[in-house]
Amino acid sequence: EIVLTQSPATLSLSPGERATLSCRASQSVSSYLAWYQQNPGQAPRLLIYGASNRATGIPVRFSGSGSGTDFTLTISSLEPEDFAVYYCQHHNNWPYTFGQGTKLEIK
Amino acid sequence: EVQLLESGGGLEQPGGSLRLSCAASGFTFSSHAMSWVRQAPGKGLEWVSVINNGDGSTYYADSVKGRFTISRDNSKNTLYLQMNSLRAEDTAVYYCAGRVQIPAAGTLDYWGRGTLVTVSS
Repeated sequence: EIVLTQSPATLSLSPGERATLSCRASQSVSSYLAWYQQNPGQAPRLLIYGASNRATGIPVRFSGSGSGTDFTLTISSLEPEDFAVYYCQHHNNWPYTFGQGTKLEIK
Repeated sequence: EVQLLESGGGLEQPGGSLRLSCAASGFTFSSHAMSWVRQAPGKGLEWVSVINNGDGSTYYADSVKGRFTISRDNSKNTLYLQMNSLRAEDTAVYYCAGRVQIPAAGTLDYWGRGTLVTVSS
């Protein structure tokens, strides 16, 4: 089973700032890496798949990069609605696993 | 509009059984793989099971293998999760989810609101 480790656990930033979230895989997942956003009491929302492809309707301020074992989710300029928990997930092969999450909070 | 609506959650004793259902609408259900993902209170996400379209092949997380069974009824546009031998650690919100528009297997672009399963005596 591939283990995904996200860092940092919590990120405190202000609206308008740039956010950089990391995800490291225990073995290569090629480019099969997705990112989800989850707000309290809501279901997760797919942001990025295939490491760098934005899902339908996702704003351009969200971007993903990386391959192999190291991946990054960047939010170029934080909006108030972006403060949430973010999960990475590999979609290389079963079992698909999620990282433990990064909480993005308002500073 | 794609909609996924879970039902069947509730309070069950350890060792008991529950059957979750997920009613799908707004897309051709039979053409898409469907999954169950759970989230324990205050914890992260765990992909529990997936059932493919076409051959109906199924996959399970080790934590539920042999206890849970995923199935689908394409004539009713409904996904199921039969949960037996329930344990306290199965307590979670269970989400029904599927890949409908995204061209990447193993991703989930539509999710239901979830149904809470509590296992406790």
